[in-house]
Amino acid sequence: QQQVKQSPQSLIVQKGGISIINCAYENTAFDYFPWYQQFPGKGPALLIAIRPDVSEKKEGRFTISFNKSAKQFSLHIMDSQPGDSATYFCAANDSGGGADGLTFGKGTHLIIQP
Amino acid sequence: KAGVTQTPRYLIKTRGQQVTLSCSPISGHRSVSWYQQTPGQGLQFLFEYFSETQRNKGNFPGRFSGRQFSNSRSEMNVSTLELGDSALYLCASSPRGKSTYEQYFGPGTRLTVT
Repeated sequence: QQQVKQSPQSLIVQKGGISIINCAYENTAFDYFPWYQQFPGKGPALLIAIRPDVSEKKEGRFTISFNKSAKQFSLHIMDSQPGDSATYFCAANDSGGGADGLTFGKGTHLIIQP
Repeated sequence: KAGVTQTPRYLIKTRGQQVTLSCSPISGHRSVSWYQQTPGQGLQFLFEYFSETQRNKGNFPGRFSGRQFSNSRSEMNVSTLELGDSALYLCASSPRGKSTYEQYFGPGTRLTVT
């Protein structure tokens, strides 16, 4: 059972545009939602994370929007740059249960065209 | 601070053999988690250690095991290797008592089983 569904699988955005990646979760006990960025040959790097007590969190060009009632959250990359080309993963966790580590989405391969 | 280090970075083993992978967490981090990354299944949680004790375990067979030492370094072992064990094995460390927050990943060990 896939508990975190991520879309799209791949995304092409022009330089300077906004990249948007969406995730939906099923487990209402999830209360921690990080996003990771992974370059080829590297491990995932923590970008930004949110707890469900806020609807939005911004760090530089990266923004997480969170909709608790819809059980959805998304990553927005403003002014996308070629250096942002990477695979992005959303994840979720039930910190109270701490049971199963992070549950990851399948990833989005993002290409920023110059 | 130095990041999470994993050794070796690449490994080729034959079906039926066993393998041990090593992870050194970020200094001061006491929680270490292991994940398997494959193109088909994505990132999947293996297990988590804190203070030398396994706290959580994912849905993997008993051939996958691990341990943590008093200095927080961790090892994972896979016995009786199968072709399907070929994957990138990632270690992540966390500064908190619960591993569910702010997990920082190493570069991974690429295991190929022939």
